[in-house]
Amino acid sequence: QSALTQPRSVSGSPGQSVTISCTGTSSDVGTYNYVSWYQHHPGKAPKFMIYDVSKRPSGVPDRFSGSKSGNTASLTISGLQAEDEADYYCCSYAGSYTWVFGGGTKLTVL
Amino acid sequence: QVQLVESGGGVVQPGGSLRLSCAASGFTFSSYGMHWVRQAPGKGLEWVAFIRYDGSNKYYAESVKGRFTISRDKSKNTLYLQMNSLRAEDTAVYYCAKDLWQLTDWGQGTLVTVSS
Repeated sequence: QSALTQPRSVSGSPGQSVTISCTGTSSDVGTYNYVSWYQHHPGKAPKFMIYDVSKRPSGVPDRFSGSKSGNTASLTISGLQAEDEADYYCCSYAGSYTWVFGGGTKLTVL
Repeated sequence: QVQLVESGGGVVQPGGSLRLSCAASGFTFSSYGMHWVRQAPGKGLEWVAFIRYDGSNKYYAESVKGRFTISRDKSKNTLYLQMNSLRAEDTAVYYCAKDLWQLTDWGQGTLVTVSS
């Protein structure tokens, strides 16, 4: 199972919006709506940010949104804040009770 | 609130074994599936294994199949990962995480280093 493809890094200034893409295949992202996103500050536990492609758990700001088109899912963060600086990972169910993560994207808030 | 605390990491020689534990609290452990996920130094997250809520079925990434075994003890609210035939490429921080289709809660991780 190959990792989902994410850009290594993205950046934006406070208040701006950024979008992180996550490209899989028809065996994972393209077939299942079980795409989730995680925010990870190094040394800490990853935080669950988006599930089922576009749903936000309680407590996650509505600045975070998710979408999917074909084999590519996306995470958009609007109104960037300094505390958003972190690594972001997508994850997709890949069938037969297996999951696959993306390689991770480092978000820098300029 | 949900708390997951991993333990058991350490330094082990190639070919050796190690058992990781994940103590769960703040939720009904026996009602949720559980995962192990790892992160090698400088690398991204990699899904390792999943066990259903009742322990009836277990699933593994190809990279660990036949070497790692996931299990759970509902009387102790604890998840385990038995790791055998360890290789240098198994060096990573290992996280346990709760739930099924998405990983809603995570522990802080425990570091496993495979080195001679």
